[in-house]
Amino acid sequence: DVKVTQSSRYLVKRTGEKVFLECVQDMDHENMFWYRQDPGLGLRLIYFSYDVKMKEKGDIPEGYSVSREKKERFSLILESASTNQTSMYLCASSPVRGGGDTQYFGPGTRLTVL
Amino acid sequence: QKEVEQNSGPLSVPEGAIASLNCTYSDRGSQSFFWYRQYSGKSPELIMSIYSNGDKEDGRFTAQLNKASQYVSLLIRDSQPSDSATYLCAAADSNYQLIWGAGTKLIIKP
Repeated sequence: DVKVTQSSRYLVKRTGEKVFLECVQDMDHENMFWYRQDPGLGLRLIYFSYDVKMKEKGDIPEGYSVSREKKERFSLILESASTNQTSMYLCASSPVRGGGDTQYFGPGTRLTVL
Repeated sequence: QKEVEQNSGPLSVPEGAIASLNCTYSDRGSQSFFWYRQYSGKSPELIMSIYSNGDKEDGRFTAQLNKASQYVSLLIRDSQPSDSATYLCAAADSNYQLIWGAGTKLIIKP
């Protein structure tokens, strides 16, 4: 059974703070993804990674960075949090190199930036 | 711009009836399609995937794919209140990235 875990379910931060969101998967998947989800906008891809130390920009990378030092772990970093980054953040992983296959999601982190 | 479009709803269906959810996609190169269910405040979970034209059945769920019309649908038979959720459609584009629809909110009325 695939398990994707995220470091926090709820997080409250102040404007300008550096924020780390961590995601860990236990199924040796090649691909990992970070999305944000806002009402009416669906899932928007921030960054993804096909391999350790590799990263690719998604549709909305501005204001975010990522790190993948180990295969099972993919971190999302908000260098200087802003109120418009208040959102639900979802991490996902998928087994197939190149993506395009079933993605398994973590429980999500609801981030509020005050 | 590659897009997956869904009616946002809400779609209201009586308990026991068939719920029909629809999705269209713009990338003719898409080969893989997915339906996810998302309960309020929870993360999406996979319901079904479909890769070939026609129907694919799994219990009360049937996915239908028509590549010529660029159309994917999900039928839920004998709808239950526990089926009330938002249903997300996704298509893998020719670069193997998933393009997501914004979701259809389904309400099953007891």
